[in-house]
Amino acid sequence: AQSVTQLGSHVSVSEGALVLLRCNYSSSVPPYLFWYVQYPNQGLQLLLKYTTGATLVKGINGFEAEFKKSETSFHLTKPSAHMSDAAEYFCAVSGPGAQKLVFGQGTRLTINP
Amino acid sequence: DTGVSQDPRHKITKRGQNVTFRCDPISEHNRLYWYRQTLGQGPEFLTYFQNEAQLEKSRLLSDRFSAERPKGSFSTLEIQRTEQGDSAMYLCASSLDGPRGSYNEQFFGPGTRLTVL
Repeated sequence: AQSVTQLGSHVSVSEGALVLLRCNYSSSVPPYLFWYVQYPNQGLQLLLKYTTGATLVKGINGFEAEFKKSETSFHLTKPSAHMSDAAEYFCAVSGPGAQKLVFGQGTRLTINP
Repeated sequence: DTGVSQDPRHKITKRGQNVTFRCDPISEHNRLYWYRQTLGQGPEFLTYFQNEAQLEKSRLLSDRFSAERPKGSFSTLEIQRTEQGDSAMYLCASSLDGPRGSYNEQFFGPGTRLTVL
């Protein structure tokens, strides 16, 4: 079985500040890990993914995440927040060859001017 | 636009009525998924198809729910005798099959928001 816990349902940062969204996972098989972003009234868009190989992965819009097996974490970061980053962010897990995604409950990111 | 499309975008219905949603995947994608997202929660997997075959169904998919993908292209999700608890966003996604064990990105549609009064 797999599960995802996102710490903090709501995160607020100032424009230009560091963004850190936390994700911890549980998986009985080597995990594939993902971050998705959802803007209001839109579908989910893939930000980045980890499957195998390098544990620091870079995604779109300046985001990156690091897979830490020992901590079962996959936190999302961005050095400098922009107003356009305001959205809902979802961490998800899957397994090799598995097709369904298991999502966390989401973190709403607010950017203060 | 060659992305995943869903119709309708919004549906309001009365309790006890039947509703049907449609999903058109990206044209060359052979896998199609349905998820449900309630307010303040992440999407939850409902079912997925490879071509026309329904390969996995979640326990969330009660007997009142049925999904089809008759020709391996578009898919429909029907809810019979709707209940207020069915109110949610229903998301469709598609992907292209790849080598065994590989991950194939799921592309999501905009969703159908269902409100049951």
